[in-house]
Amino acid sequence: SQTIHQWPATLVQPVGSPLSLECTVEGTSNPNLYWYRQAAGRGLQLLFYSVGIGQISSEVPQNLSASRPQDRQFILSSKKLLLSDSGFYLCAWSVRLDVEQFFGPGTRLTVL
Amino acid sequence: AQSVTQLGSHVSVSEGALVLLRCNYSSSVPPYLFWYVQYPNQGLQLLLKYTTGATLVKGINGFEAEFKKSETSFHLTKPSAHMSDAAEYFCAVSDPSYGKLTFGQGTILTVHP
Repeated sequence: SQTIHQWPATLVQPVGSPLSLECTVEGTSNPNLYWYRQAAGRGLQLLFYSVGIGQISSEVPQNLSASRPQDRQFILSSKKLLLSDSGFYLCAWSVRLDVEQFFGPGTRLTVL
Repeated sequence: AQSVTQLGSHVSVSEGALVLLRCNYSSSVPPYLFWYVQYPNQGLQLLLKYTTGATLVKGINGFEAEFKKSETSFHLTKPSAHMSDAAEYFCAVSDPSYGKLTFGQGTILTVHP
């Protein structure tokens, strides 16, 4: 069966520091991968998605970037965190873009 | 373009009462529809989905939803609420022309003893 992992589970970072969040999927090949953010009271915001290695689509211009160095690995990064980057970050995968997505456990990021 | 609207950001019910969470969508083609549940500090979990076929779909934890094309709705119901149903629920829609899922803003369900 397929599983999706995210780490770390929680992270507290100062403003201006770098960020790296990692997501890996097991049990499937060539998944579509997604990064979402949930900020308090603002619903689920799609940040990036990827349909293959090295291919990244950005949904919202911002302080973050994403990379997919391996088929089942998706990384969310920032060079300098802002206060507004605080939130709950979710990684997800799917076999096609138009079907159900399966979510990881999330990373709670607090920027102070 | 596709969109989804969840009516009511907060719904409160008593334990044992009917749960009804409303979802309306817009889509240029017959959509795929989904309901997810999220417990605090956890990821989203798929409750049920509609793609084709029977319009009444059953999901996990006793939930079900009915696709009504004429009303462009996909409301989520459960006959008898349990305390463990307290969570946030998200409706999502996709259509082949757009591809990706579009999520509603979520409905927080509170269950009172």
